[in-house]
Amino acid sequence: GESVGLHLPTLSVQEGDNSIINCAYSNSASDYFIWYKQESGKGPQFIIDIRSNMDKRQGQRVTVLLNKTVKHLSLQIAATQPGDSAVYFCAENLKAAGNKLTFGGGTRVLVKP
Amino acid sequence: NAGVTQTPKFRILKIGQSMTLQCAQDMNHNYMYWYRQDPGMGLKLIYYSVGAGITDKGEVPNGYNVSRSTTEDFPLRLELAAPSQTSVYFCASSKTARNNQPQHFGDGTRLSIL
Repeated sequence: GESVGLHLPTLSVQEGDNSIINCAYSNSASDYFIWYKQESGKGPQFIIDIRSNMDKRQGQRVTVLLNKTVKHLSLQIAATQPGDSAVYFCAENLKAAGNKLTFGGGTRVLVKP
Repeated sequence: NAGVTQTPKFRILKIGQSMTLQCAQDMNHNYMYWYRQDPGMGLKLIYYSVGAGITDKGEVPNGYNVSRSTTEDFPLRLELAAPSQTSVYFCASSKTARNNQPQHFGDGTRLSIL
């Protein structure tokens, strides 16, 4: 079936550097994408979202890029901080399927001091 | 600012026992969801509800039941616990399916079946 996946399972980043987390999706009909951050022992926390009619969206220190041509999604974190250490999930949503999310397997980001 | 509240946080069950995982949200959200997350994996949808009195199966519904008698509450029932149901269970809610609203998650219930 259709699925969302991630290229890198673990990403080590030096504090202060920028982080880039990648995600591939296979359902070209997906119309909404979300990035979640999950810290140990916590539930997923919403970071940023983007609709399929957009290519880029910026938040506070985070930017999501959507390339529909190659069905690729990325999350950029500027000036990575120790508090950014977590597992990051991308999820795709197909509104026609009742706002149900399909999650990828997650990427762990480790910030080195 | 309670958001989505799940109880209990931890539970150990014996094979064949039953239990109900509680989920409540105070955001007046119409949509509610139950997911399970196995170690090192993403979340898989068990059941969801688009409003009080309406529920539907997700990707992995076998062994579970749900009900939605109020907007606020969405309990998940395990009737005959099996070791394969050892997992972390997350409840989520969203306002509506229109205009693509993000889902908000609780902090999970960690369930072990021994």
